[in-house]
Amino acid sequence: ETVLTQSPATLSLSPGERATLSCRASQNVEIYLAWYQQKPGQAPRLLIYDASKRATGVPARFSGSGSGTDFTLTISSLEPEDFAIYYCQQRRNWPPLTFGQGTRLEIK
Amino acid sequence: EVQLLESGGGLVQPGGSLRLSCAASGFTFSTYAMSWVRQAPGKGPEWVSAITDSDGRTFYADSVKGRFTISRDNSQNTLYLQMDSLRAEDTALYYCAKTLHPAATTMNFDYWGQGALVTVSS
Repeated sequence: ETVLTQSPATLSLSPGERATLSCRASQNVEIYLAWYQQKPGQAPRLLIYDASKRATGVPARFSGSGSGTDFTLTISSLEPEDFAIYYCQQRRNWPPLTFGQGTRLEIK
Repeated sequence: EVQLLESGGGLVQPGGSLRLSCAASGFTFSTYAMSWVRQAPGKGPEWVSAITDSDGRTFYADSVKGRFTISRDNSQNTLYLQMDSLRAEDTALYYCAKTLHPAATTMNFDYWGQGALVTVSS
């Protein structure tokens, strides 16, 4: 099973700042890494797939990068609605599909 | 508009069974692989099972293999999850999720339902 480790567990930033979230895979997932955003009481929302492709309707301030085992989600300038939990997910080595444990992005 | 509506959740005793349904609309259901993903309270998502679009191949997480069965009825645009021999650790919100691309097992999920709560407790 491919284990995804996200860091940091919690990130405290202010609106307007740049956020950088990390996801490390225990084995090579090539580019097959996605990022989701989840707000309280809501289902996860797909933001980025295949490491760097933005899903439909996702603002350009969200970008993804990386390949192999190290990936980054960057939010260039935080908006109030961006404070949420972010999960990475790999689809290269499945089953099983696996998710990271999440990074909580909170308002400083 | 894509909609996924789960039903069938509830409280069940350990060892019991439940059947979840997911009614899909707003897209050509028969051309998309589908999955069930669960989320225990305060935890991250956990993939449970997937089924391909036309040939109905199935895949399971080890934690549910042999106890859960995924199926679909393309004529009724409905996805199912039969859950048997339920355990306390199966307690979670169960989401039905649609894959991003048709006719492919590109297991990223662009639409999710609102979830069906399953509680396993005596």
